[in-house]
Amino acid sequence: SYVLTQPPSVSVAPGQTARITCGGNNIGSKSVHWYQQKPGQAPVLVVYDDSDRPSGIPERFSGSNSGNTATLTISRVEAGDEADYYCQVWDTSDHWVFGGGTKLTVL
Amino acid sequence: EVQLVESGGGLVQPGGSLRLSCAGSGFTFSSCEMNWVRQAPGKGLEWVSYISSSGSSIYYADSVKGRFTISRDNAKNSLYLQMNSLRAEDTAVYYCAREDPTVTTSGYMDVWGKGTTVTVSS
Repeated sequence: SYVLTQPPSVSVAPGQTARITCGGNNIGSKSVHWYQQKPGQAPVLVVYDDSDRPSGIPERFSGSNSGNTATLTISRVEAGDEADYYCQVWDTSDHWVFGGGTKLTVL
Repeated sequence: EVQLVESGGGLVQPGGSLRLSCAGSGFTFSSCEMNWVRQAPGKGLEWVSYISSSGSSIYYADSVKGRFTISRDNAKNSLYLQMNSLRAEDTAVYYCAREDPTVTTSGYMDVWGKGTTVTVSS
């Protein structure tokens, strides 16, 4: 089975840059998607196909993917960015696979 | 406005059954591939099942295979999840989610409902 590994938590001060990683075997060969989930709310797609943003998502959200690690980068972090973030890929065997999630704390 | 609204959750005893529904509006439902995704209390997201726009292709996670059945009624803009032989570990918020219809088999979900809660307990 294909496994995606995320750090449980990341902390950053307002205005700084947050980087959330997603590790997987040769993940660079797959398309990686990222979701933001605030407490009590449904997930929201923030990055798809490694680095594309849906309409309405601020340019502060960006993504990259190479080798065994994909990264979601949030620039100029705001208090409103505090949330859980999940990476996700499509795998031929396991179909839709999610990472365990990372809790972003804005200090 | 593009919207997905789930219903049908509730409290059920172990071994029982429940049918979830998801109503789509504001978009051409019949053109969209759909998924069910669940989230156990305090846990992460887990993909449950997928159905193609026509219903001809269906996939399930191993954890629910043989117990859950996904279906859709495009005339009613509705998606369903029949859940049988429920277990305590099926307790979760169940979300329906749309695959991006602008891309064939996008592999990601661009619209999510707010979810419906299923609790399996005696």
